Amino acid sequence: KAGVTQTPRYLIKTRGQQVTLSCSPISGHRSVSWYQQTPGQGLQFLFEYFSETQRNKGNFPGRFSGRQFSNSRSEMNVSTLELGDSALYLCASSLVGNEKLFFGSGTQLSVL
Amino acid sequence: GENVEQHPSTLSVQEGDSAVIKCTYSDSASNYFPWYKQELGKRPQLIIDIRSNVGEKKDQRIAVTLNKTAKHFSLHITETQPEDSAVYFCAAREGMRFGAGTRLTVKP
Repeated sequence: KAGVTQTPRYLIKTRGQQVTLSCSPISGHRSVSWYQQTPGQGLQFLFEYFSETQRNKGNFPGRFSGRQFSNSRSEMNVSTLELGDSALYLCASSLVGNEKLFFGSGTQLSVL
Repeated sequence: GENVEQHPSTLSVQEGDSAVIKCTYSDSASNYFPWYKQELGKRPQLIIDIRSNVGEKKDQRIAVTLNKTAKHFSLHITETQPEDSAVYFCAAREGMRFGAGTRLTVKP
């Protein structure tokens, strides 16, 4: 069974631009959650989707948004990029949400 | 939302010693408490988890204990080995908030 796939692996953007990150969960997994990881800041929860509905949201500004499609694939969008958005963005999938998370390799976003 | 606090932020032990990492949570509705290990440059991976109807769970050298009344849970690693060196994260459902992480270093 293929693992969680995130694309692209690396991204370089400039301030003010927007970016879309993609996450394909493990086949059969219906829950996808997103995290921002920066050195020394741990894993900051962004949001969680289950069956195309946002079930939970972390404390990030409205510039961060996401969605989930009927095939459970998820996208995350960040608009008006700021330098502080530079981070590793991880997505994770699970069968129904309240159990073991399987993480992708992440998308490393650099904002210049 | 859930608030998860994790201590210590760094922990250094000698090989063969035990290591203990503690987490507290705020939402009494939380019912699932996993621990993840993240080695340098790799993705986090689940090492052990516990549900709220259980007080303790063991898996070889790793154990997790849960005190629902006090809202805290702990990771115990016995007979530590250099390959245990990593960052460990605790988490609490609902919403899957993670603790800030503990960088464990096991010195040979």
